[in-house]
Amino acid sequence: EVQLLESGGGLVQPGGSLRLSCAASGFTFRTYAMTWVRQAAGKGLEWVSSISGSGISTYYRDFVKGRFTISRDNSKNILYLQMNSLRAEDTAVYYCARLGRRPTEGWLDPWGQGTLVTVSS
Amino acid sequence: EIVMTQSPVTLSVSPGERATLSCRASQSVSSDLAWYQQKPGQAPRLLIYGASTRATGVPARFSGSGSGTEFTLTISSLQSEDFAVYYCQQYNNWPPLTFGGGTKVEIK
Repeated sequence: EVQLLESGGGLVQPGGSLRLSCAASGFTFRTYAMTWVRQAAGKGLEWVSSISGSGISTYYRDFVKGRFTISRDNSKNILYLQMNSLRAEDTAVYYCARLGRRPTEGWLDPWGQGTLVTVSS
Repeated sequence: EIVMTQSPVTLSVSPGERATLSCRASQSVSSDLAWYQQKPGQAPRLLIYGASTRATGVPARFSGSGSGTEFTLTISSLQSEDFAVYYCQQYNNWPPLTFGGGTKVEIK
């Protein structure tokens, strides 16, 4: 069974840092691009960042460029999101999700259960 | 950036009735359109990709149609477990991947 399990969320002060992890199982991790999507309470879905299967190519939404870094460890089947200079508006549930094997396969399936990040003093 | 707009925001439907949800793209996305279902407290679940292909395990009462800028998700006969929020997402021109604002299907 394909599974994604996020961890690392929590309460952090504005300007602080947090690293999210997403442990993958049930598929050949290195052959799939991966994505982080976030959802503020009561709001819609917002794409944050994606990374190719090899880890060579990374993509970011403008509002996190220079603050967040996506990476992956294909030997451990783990996806990461390093979040620095956090702001109150970054408060959300963060989901990891699997993209397709090819760039044209841009749908997200499956999704992890999400991890809550709260930025507050 | 391609902007995705969903309508209506809320759809009130009785169990057993048909529900029709709309999604519009600000420019053509060909058939590179996915639909997701999200229930309270849960992660989104892929329903449809390629505008009309059902994901594995998705019941046949869910169907997707459209291409270009206009898309529709139809639930032929609503079951109790179908009351949820539905999102469309384009992947024709990314980054960024962009989602619609969602349609909440509620019990009438």
